[in-house]
Amino acid sequence: KNQVEQSPQSLIILEGKNCTLQCNYTVSPFSNLRWYKQDTGRGPVSLTIMTFSENTKSNGRYTATLDADTKQSSLHITASQLSDSASYICVVTVSGGYNKLIFGAGTRLAVHP
Amino acid sequence: GAGVSQSPRYKVAKRGQDVALRCDPISGHVSLFWYQQALGQGPEFLTYFQNEAQLDKSGLPSDRFFAERPEGSVSTLKIQRTQQEDSAVYLCASSLANMPPYNEQFFGPGTRLTVL
Repeated sequence: KNQVEQSPQSLIILEGKNCTLQCNYTVSPFSNLRWYKQDTGRGPVSLTIMTFSENTKSNGRYTATLDADTKQSSLHITASQLSDSASYICVVTVSGGYNKLIFGAGTRLAVHP
Repeated sequence: GAGVSQSPRYKVAKRGQDVALRCDPISGHVSLFWYQQALGQGPEFLTYFQNEAQLDKSGLPSDRFFAERPEGSVSTLKIQRTQQEDSAVYLCASSLANMPPYNEQFFGPGTRLTVL
């Protein structure tokens, strides 16, 4: 069964600190992996996308890594800001057909001043 | 439009009522998806349209759920005889096409449905 698991479920950090979110997946066939940010009451917005041949991708203070061998990904947030408070969802695309998305449950990040 | 829009943003229904949720995708986007997101969970796939054709409805939880996109643009998700377990946020997403690099899905803000 195609699954995406994320950890931790929730996280509280102080403003200015770094943090790393984890994602493990069992999805086949694999097309790509995205990290989405979902603010409360909003739809998810894509932060990064990586194919199996890419092992790191940055978007400002966000850096995602991918290990296609172990089927693990991480999202590192540097110098956190209050506006980073959101849910971060790991999403894997199934290759073929219409490219179905498999979502993780998300990590709820709270950045406190 | 600038993005995917959904209406209403919030809907409260009494158990047994029928509801209709609307999605306006980005103009020109061929693919349209509906997802159900329970509180504290990631979105789960409901159904997929390519233009007006509903190519996958395997995620619809019961025959009370029905979706349509008659002219290949606006889509409506209808839930008949709502139950409390239908309470969730319903997200709509659209993409320009199916094949990379045009298959990125852009999400609307969702409709939060509460069934009393």
